[in-house]
Amino acid sequence: DTGVSQNPRHKITKRGQNVTFRCDPISEHNRLYWYRQTLGQGPEFLTYFQNEAQLEKSRLLSDRFSAERPKGSFSTLEIQRTEQGDSAMYLCASSLEGRLNEKLFFGSGTQLSVL
Amino acid sequence: GQQLNQSPQSMFIQEGEDVSMNCTSSSIFNTWLWYKQEPGEGPVLLIALYKAGELTSNGRLTAQFGITRKDSFLNISASIPSDVGIYFCAGLPLTGTASKLTFGTGTRLQVTL
Repeated sequence: DTGVSQNPRHKITKRGQNVTFRCDPISEHNRLYWYRQTLGQGPEFLTYFQNEAQLEKSRLLSDRFSAERPKGSFSTLEIQRTEQGDSAMYLCASSLEGRLNEKLFFGSGTQLSVL
Repeated sequence: GQQLNQSPQSMFIQEGEDVSMNCTSSSIFNTWLWYKQEPGEGPVLLIALYKAGELTSNGRLTAQFGITRKDSFLNISASIPSDVGIYFCAGLPLTGTASKLTFGTGTRLQVTL
C-alpha cells in the first residue's frame, strides 16, 4: 500500500493559464475525493467519484473546474483560466465503499500559486 | 462552506504537558473524526468515533463523542515534539456519505522543549 499519491506537489502559474493535477488513490479504494484547503482553514469538499462516475459536485466547483476519473483508477483535476483566488492546496483522498467510507486517506496535496 | 468551530485556535505547550481541544457544531453528527496535518502534507486520520458518549484511544490520544452529538473532544497526554501540527475535527451527519464530511477550522499545536 503506497498511499494516495498526488502530482505535482507544487505548481506556480500565471493568471489565465490552465493547470492539471493528478491523483492516484489507494489501489483497492473505489471512492476518490477532491478537496481544497486555504491557509488557516480545514479542507472543503469539491467533488467525488465512485469508480469512474462523478457522483457529487460542490457549489465551490465553478465551471472552470473539471475533474475526471476515466478508468476508475487515477483522477485529474483541471482548472481553466486560473485566477488568483484559486491559489490553495488541492487535496485528493480515497476511501472504501460501504461502512468505512467516511475514513478518508489523504494525499500530500498539490500547492497551487497563481501569480 | 460550513466549518466547525474548534477551540483553542492555537496552543503553545511544553513537552510532557497534556493537551485538550474541542470541536463544536450547530448540527448533530453521526460520526466524528480527528485528523492531524503537518506542514506541506495532507491530513492523517487519528481517531474515528461512531456513538454518542464513545471514548476511543489511539496511543497517547483519546477522543470523545459528545453526548449532545454536537461536539467532540481530543486529548493528548504527555506531549512530545512530534505532536506539533494542526489538528482538525470532522463531522458527518446521519444521512451523509463522506462527501458530506465537514471539517473544523483546526487547532494549531506547538510543543516546546
